[in-house]
Amino acid sequence: DVKVTQSSRYLVKRTGEKVFLECVQDMDHENMFWYRQDPGLGLRLIYFSYDVKMKEKGDIPEGYSVSREKKERFSLILESASTNQTSMYLCASSDLEGRVSNQPQHFGDGTRLSIL
Amino acid sequence: GQNIDQPTEMTATEGAIVQINCTYQTSGFNGLFWYQQHAGEAPTFLSYNVLDGLEEKGRFSSFLSRSKGYSYLLLKELQMKDSASYLCAVPNRDDKIIFGKGTRLHILP
Repeated sequence: DVKVTQSSRYLVKRTGEKVFLECVQDMDHENMFWYRQDPGLGLRLIYFSYDVKMKEKGDIPEGYSVSREKKERFSLILESASTNQTSMYLCASSDLEGRVSNQPQHFGDGTRLSIL
Repeated sequence: GQNIDQPTEMTATEGAIVQINCTYQTSGFNGLFWYQQHAGEAPTFLSYNVLDGLEEKGRFSSFLSRSKGYSYLLLKELQMKDSASYLCAVPNRDDKIIFGKGTRLHILP
């Protein structure tokens, strides 16, 4: 079974802090993704990566950056946290067979981040 | 552009059948996913349809009509544990997957 592990289930930080959310997958998947999920807005893609040291912006990248130094690890960074970044953050990974978009994604349990 | 519509909430009775609809608009269709998400948990993959028709997987079936931009998830013999949100998702032309806002299904005893 694919295991996607996010470093924290709950996290509380202060406005202006630099915040790191870590995600590790154990299935040697090429593709990794970061989403945020908010009531009434659904899942929205922040950043994704097809390979080590490679990153692509999703639909809402502003205020975020990512790092993928190793294949199994994909980090989301909030450069200067703001209250509107309070949300549930979900990491996912998928295999690479043909097109990225026809592979199911495997999600971590999520990190509920509160910015005070 | 990309647009996915599904009902916000539905209620059904234990043991019954429920159909959750999803309509989508996309440029360059490449399949449709259904995910289940229990409250406070991660979404889990249920099904992937790329051809028209019905695909059955135990109590769950998923239908696709590409010409109509329409899919549904059919849940039979409902159990209390089926209370969850169900997310419809389609890839866009940039090869990213766009998720619908989800349908919250309540099962009554």
